[in-house]
Amino acid sequence: DVKVTQSSRYLVKRTGEKVFLECVQDMDHENMFWYRQDPGLGLRLIYFSYDVKMKEKGDIPEGYSVSREKKERFSLILESASTNQTSMYLCASSSLTSGRIGGEQFFGPGTRLTVL
Amino acid sequence: AQTVTQSQPEMSVQEAETVTLSCTYDTSESDYYLFWYKQPPSRQMILVIRQEAYKQQNATENRFSVNFQKAAKSFSLKISDSQLGDAAMYFCAYRVYGGSQGNLIFGKGTKLSVKP
Repeated sequence: DVKVTQSSRYLVKRTGEKVFLECVQDMDHENMFWYRQDPGLGLRLIYFSYDVKMKEKGDIPEGYSVSREKKERFSLILESASTNQTSMYLCASSSLTSGRIGGEQFFGPGTRLTVL
Repeated sequence: AQTVTQSQPEMSVQEAETVTLSCTYDTSESDYYLFWYKQPPSRQMILVIRQEAYKQQNATENRFSVNFQKAAKSFSLKISDSQLGDAAMYFCAYRVYGGSQGNLIFGKGTKLSVKP
Protein backbone atom coordinates (compact mmCIF):
# COMPACT_ATOMS: atom_id res chain seq x y z
CA ASP A 1 0.00 0.00 0.00
CA VAL A 2 1.44 3.33 -1.04
CA LYS A 3 2.17 5.79 1.70
CA VAL A 4 2.92 9.44 2.21
CA THR A 5 3.43 10.35 5.84
CA GLN A 6 3.81 13.70 7.52
CA SER A 7 5.60 14.19 10.81
CA SER A 8 2.74 15.81 12.70
CA ARG A 9 -1.04 16.01 12.35
CA TYR A 10 -1.27 19.07 14.57
CA LEU A 11 1.35 21.64 15.43
CA VAL A 12 1.22 24.83 17.48
CA LYS A 13 4.06 27.32 17.21
CA ARG A 14 4.75 30.88 18.25
CA THR A 15 5.35 33.84 15.98
CA GLY A 16 8.98 34.06 14.96
CA GLU A 17 9.78 30.40 15.54
CA LYS A 18 11.48 28.30 12.89
CA VAL A 19 9.17 25.47 11.90
CA PHE A 20 10.01 22.23 10.11
CA LEU A 21 7.35 20.10 8.44
CA GLU A 22 8.56 16.71 7.29
CA CYS A 23 7.16 14.49 4.59
CA VAL A 24 8.24 10.97 3.70
CA GLN A 25 7.05 8.75 0.84
CA ASP A 26 7.78 5.07 0.34
CA MET A 27 6.91 4.81 -3.35
CA ASP A 28 10.29 5.83 -4.79
CA HIS A 29 8.59 8.81 -6.44
CA GLU A 30 10.70 11.44 -8.13
CA ASN A 31 8.30 14.35 -7.61
CA MET A 32 7.27 15.77 -4.27
CA PHE A 33 5.05 18.75 -3.50
CA TRP A 34 4.03 21.01 -0.65
CA TYR A 35 0.59 22.62 -0.72
CA ARG A 36 -1.21 24.94 1.56
CA GLN A 37 -4.98 24.43 1.96
CA ASP A 38 -7.23 27.24 3.18
CA PRO A 39 -11.05 27.36 3.19
CA GLY A 40 -12.39 28.90 0.01
CA LEU A 41 -8.96 28.98 -1.61
CA GLY A 42 -8.44 25.31 -2.40
CA LEU A 43 -4.91 23.96 -2.62
CA ARG A 44 -2.09 26.30 -3.48
CA LEU A 45 1.34 25.03 -4.44
CA ILE A 46 4.18 26.33 -2.28
CA TYR A 47 7.18 24.41 -3.61
CA PHE A 48 7.89 21.23 -5.49
CA SER A 49 10.90 19.07 -6.15
CA TYR A 50 11.50 16.73 -9.08
CA ASP A 51 14.78 15.29 -7.88
CA VAL A 52 17.09 15.20 -4.91
CA LYS A 53 18.46 18.64 -4.12
CA MET A 54 16.26 20.17 -6.82
CA LYS A 55 13.43 22.56 -6.00
CA GLU A 56 11.11 24.86 -7.83
CA LYS A 57 8.89 27.65 -6.52
CA GLY A 58 5.18 27.21 -6.75
CA ASP A 59 2.51 29.88 -6.60
CA ILE A 60 3.07 31.09 -3.03
CA PRO A 61 6.70 30.48 -1.99
CA GLU A 62 7.14 33.64 0.06
CA GLY A 63 8.01 32.93 3.68
CA TYR A 64 8.84 29.28 2.98
CA SER A 65 11.84 27.23 1.96
CA VAL A 66 12.30 23.53 1.29
CA SER A 67 14.94 20.86 1.51
CA ARG A 68 15.27 17.56 -0.28
CA GLU A 69 18.42 15.75 0.73
CA LYS A 70 17.03 12.25 0.12
CA LYS A 71 14.63 11.03 -2.51
CA GLU A 72 12.02 9.90 -0.02
CA ARG A 73 12.01 13.01 2.18
CA PHE A 74 10.84 16.55 1.46
CA SER A 75 10.87 19.18 4.18
CA LEU A 76 9.03 22.47 4.33
CA ILE A 77 10.63 25.18 6.44
CA LEU A 78 9.04 28.29 7.82
CA GLU A 79 12.05 30.45 8.65
CA SER A 80 10.13 32.79 10.94
CA ALA A 81 6.55 31.70 11.44
CA SER A 82 3.83 34.31 11.23
CA THR A 83 0.14 34.17 12.11
CA ASN A 84 -0.86 34.32 8.44
CA GLN A 85 0.88 30.99 7.95
CA THR A 86 -1.71 29.28 10.12
CA SER A 87 -3.10 26.70 7.73
CA MET A 88 -3.35 23.06 6.69
CA TYR A 89 -0.21 21.86 4.91
CA LEU A 90 -0.41 18.91 2.55
CA CYS A 91 2.48 16.97 1.10
CA ALA A 92 2.13 14.91 -2.06
CA SER A 93 4.28 12.79 -4.33
CA SER A 94 4.07 11.46 -7.86
CA SER A 95 6.15 9.47 -10.29
CA LEU A 96 7.84 10.75 -13.41
CA THR A 97 5.19 10.93 -16.11
CA SER A 98 7.00 9.74 -19.16
CA GLY A 99 4.04 8.03 -20.68
CA ARG A 100 0.28 8.15 -20.93
CA ILE A 101 -0.23 6.57 -17.55
CA GLY A 102 0.50 8.75 -14.61
CA GLY A 103 -0.11 12.20 -13.31
CA GLU A 104 -1.72 11.07 -10.09
CA GLN A 105 -0.46 12.63 -6.90
CA PHE A 106 -0.60 10.73 -3.62
CA PHE A 107 -1.25 12.84 -0.57
CA GLY A 108 -0.22 12.72 3.05
CA PRO A 109 -2.72 13.23 5.88
CA GLY A 110 -1.83 16.89 6.33
CA THR A 111 -0.41 18.97 9.15
CA ARG A 112 -2.65 21.56 10.71
CA LEU A 113 -0.32 24.34 11.82
CA THR A 114 -1.40 27.07 14.19
CA VAL A 115 0.89 30.04 14.71
CA LEU A 116 0.09 32.08 17.80
CA ALA B 1 -2.29 30.35 -17.53
CA GLN B 2 -4.41 27.36 -16.78
CA THR B 3 -7.24 27.75 -14.29
CA VAL B 4 -9.79 25.41 -12.76
CA THR B 5 -13.17 26.67 -11.56
CA GLN B 6 -15.63 24.89 -9.30
CA SER B 7 -18.70 27.10 -9.16
CA GLN B 8 -20.50 25.23 -6.36
CA PRO B 9 -18.89 25.82 -2.96
CA GLU B 10 -21.42 23.49 -1.33
CA MET B 11 -23.81 20.81 -2.49
CA SER B 12 -26.23 18.52 -0.73
CA VAL B 13 -27.75 15.20 -1.79
CA GLN B 14 -30.14 12.71 -0.28
CA GLU B 15 -28.76 9.27 0.41
CA ALA B 16 -29.25 6.93 -2.58
CA GLU B 17 -29.83 9.88 -4.94
CA THR B 18 -27.57 11.16 -7.71
CA VAL B 19 -25.58 14.38 -7.59
CA THR B 20 -23.40 16.16 -10.14
CA LEU B 21 -20.49 18.39 -9.24
CA SER B 22 -19.36 20.94 -11.82
CA CYS B 23 -15.88 21.86 -12.95
CA THR B 24 -14.68 24.03 -15.79
CA TYR B 25 -11.13 24.74 -16.78
CA ASP B 26 -9.22 27.01 -19.07
CA THR B 27 -6.23 25.89 -21.09
CA SER B 28 -4.67 26.32 -24.48
CA GLU B 29 -3.19 22.83 -24.37
CA SER B 30 -4.73 19.99 -26.33
CA ASP B 31 -3.39 17.10 -24.30
CA TYR B 32 -3.86 16.95 -20.56
CA TYR B 33 -5.25 15.01 -17.62
CA LEU B 34 -8.20 15.88 -15.43
CA PHE B 35 -8.82 14.50 -11.96
CA TRP B 36 -11.38 14.47 -9.21
CA TYR B 37 -10.00 14.12 -5.71
CA LYS B 38 -11.99 13.44 -2.55
CA GLN B 39 -11.02 14.71 0.90
CA PRO B 40 -13.21 13.25 3.67
CA PRO B 41 -13.37 15.20 6.94
CA SER B 42 -10.05 14.89 8.78
CA ARG B 43 -8.86 12.24 6.37
CA GLN B 44 -6.40 11.90 3.54
CA MET B 45 -7.10 13.18 0.04
CA ILE B 46 -7.60 10.35 -2.43
CA LEU B 47 -8.05 10.12 -6.17
CA VAL B 48 -11.61 9.36 -7.26
CA ILE B 49 -11.34 9.34 -11.02
CA ARG B 50 -9.03 10.38 -13.84
CA GLN B 51 -9.71 11.40 -17.45
CA GLU B 52 -7.17 11.74 -20.24
CA ALA B 53 -8.10 14.46 -22.68
CA TYR B 54 -7.29 12.44 -25.79
CA LYS B 55 -9.87 9.82 -24.80
CA GLN B 56 -13.39 10.61 -25.92
CA GLN B 57 -14.96 8.00 -23.69
CA ASN B 58 -15.96 9.27 -20.27
CA ALA B 59 -14.19 7.62 -17.35
CA THR B 60 -16.17 5.53 -14.88
CA GLU B 61 -15.25 4.07 -11.50
CA ASN B 62 -18.10 2.16 -9.91
CA ARG B 63 -20.65 4.79 -8.76
CA PHE B 64 -18.50 7.67 -9.99
CA SER B 65 -18.52 8.86 -13.57
CA VAL B 66 -17.54 11.99 -15.41
CA ASN B 67 -19.03 14.02 -18.21
CA PHE B 68 -16.04 15.32 -20.12
CA GLN B 69 -16.85 17.97 -22.70
CA LYS B 70 -13.52 18.97 -24.23
CA ALA B 71 -14.80 21.71 -26.48
CA ALA B 72 -16.70 23.30 -23.63
CA LYS B 73 -13.79 22.67 -21.22
CA SER B 74 -16.12 21.09 -18.76
CA PHE B 75 -15.48 18.11 -16.48
CA SER B 76 -18.34 17.26 -14.15
CA LEU B 77 -18.47 14.42 -11.64
CA LYS B 78 -21.60 12.35 -11.19
CA ILE B 79 -22.06 10.32 -8.05
CA SER B 80 -24.82 7.74 -8.29
CA ASP B 81 -26.55 6.03 -5.37
CA SER B 82 -24.95 8.48 -2.93
CA GLN B 83 -23.78 7.05 0.36
CA LEU B 84 -23.04 8.69 3.70
CA GLY B 85 -19.36 7.98 3.12
CA ASP B 86 -19.39 10.18 0.04
CA ALA B 87 -19.64 13.27 2.24
CA ALA B 88 -16.38 15.14 1.65
CA MET B 89 -14.66 18.01 -0.09
CA TYR B 90 -14.24 17.28 -3.76
CA PHE B 91 -11.51 18.94 -5.77
CA CYS B 92 -11.22 19.08 -9.52
CA ALA B 93 -7.64 19.22 -10.82
CA TYR B 94 -5.86 19.66 -14.13
CA ARG B 95 -2.44 18.64 -15.34
CA VAL B 96 -0.89 19.18 -18.71
CA TYR B 97 0.44 16.07 -20.43
CA GLY B 98 4.18 15.79 -20.74
CA GLY B 99 6.88 17.29 -18.61
CA SER B 100 8.24 15.46 -15.65
CA GLN B 101 7.13 17.59 -12.76
CA GLY B 102 3.47 16.67 -12.75
CA ASN B 103 2.13 19.90 -11.30
CA LEU B 104 -1.59 19.88 -10.62
CA ILE B 105 -3.82 22.92 -10.72
CA PHE B 106 -6.73 22.63 -8.33
CA GLY B 107 -10.14 24.20 -8.12
CA LYS B 108 -11.32 25.65 -4.83
CA GLY B 109 -13.41 22.64 -3.98
CA THR B 110 -17.04 21.66 -3.45
CA LYS B 111 -18.23 20.50 -0.06
CA LEU B 112 -20.71 17.67 -0.49
CA SER B 113 -23.13 16.78 2.29
CA VAL B 114 -25.16 13.56 2.20
CA LYS B 115 -28.46 13.52 4.07
CA PRO B 116 -29.72 10.21 5.51
